[in-house]
Amino acid sequence: NAGVTQTPKFQVLKTGQSMTLQCAQDMNHEYMSWYRQDPGMGLRLIHYSVGAGITDQGEVPNGYNVSRSTTEDFPLRLLSAAPSQTSVYFCASSYSLAGGPQYFGPGTRLTVT
Amino acid sequence: AQKVTQAQTEISVVEKEDVTLDCVYETRDTTYYLFWYKQPPSGELVFLIRRNSFDEQNEISGRYSWNFQKSTSSFNFTITASQVVDSAVYFCALSEARDSNYQLIWGAGTKLIIKP
Repeated sequence: NAGVTQTPKFQVLKTGQSMTLQCAQDMNHEYMSWYRQDPGMGLRLIHYSVGAGITDQGEVPNGYNVSRSTTEDFPLRLLSAAPSQTSVYFCASSYSLAGGPQYFGPGTRLTVT
Repeated sequence: AQKVTQAQTEISVVEKEDVTLDCVYETRDTTYYLFWYKQPPSGELVFLIRRNSFDEQNEISGRYSWNFQKSTSSFNFTITASQVVDSAVYFCALSEARDSNYQLIWGAGTKLIIKP
């Protein structure tokens, strides 16, 4: 049981490049989400999904796309990277939408130059 | 308006001291959940505890204890006899219903430094 996995762990992009951050969970959780963490700002929700085929925007969705074709996978796409997207990105999953604890992946540290 | 306030940005204590991390929240819901997470220097986020709004019992787990008080909208976390391994950033979070979905609202975190 690997829990929540994320790849890559580190990534450097140039402004304007696109890429996909991968997230997978093997706990059969319906609820998955993406956060970014910036110094002194806690975690901010980018997008989330309440099940396969259903996604919605969080607090800071601009510049990011998601899809949820399976229960296990929830990739995050950066469409055209900007220096403001330099951050640590966490994927999380939960068994319960109504207050279940979220279990986090190890994070991806992204730098955009 | 900020929904989860962790007023202590950083706390530094000497090992074996007790330390309390404060969390004050704001919600109009009668059903909500509160959480504490730990983020050690290695960077992962570790779930510590969940409390629902109908359960005001204090919880103790080893050296960790949590005091939930609805009257003051607080969910404070105390570490007894702190150890160097407790050094981390601790986040308090509130889960409340928004547009029929629940979303986590995070505090900014408290950085706890335990000096040997």
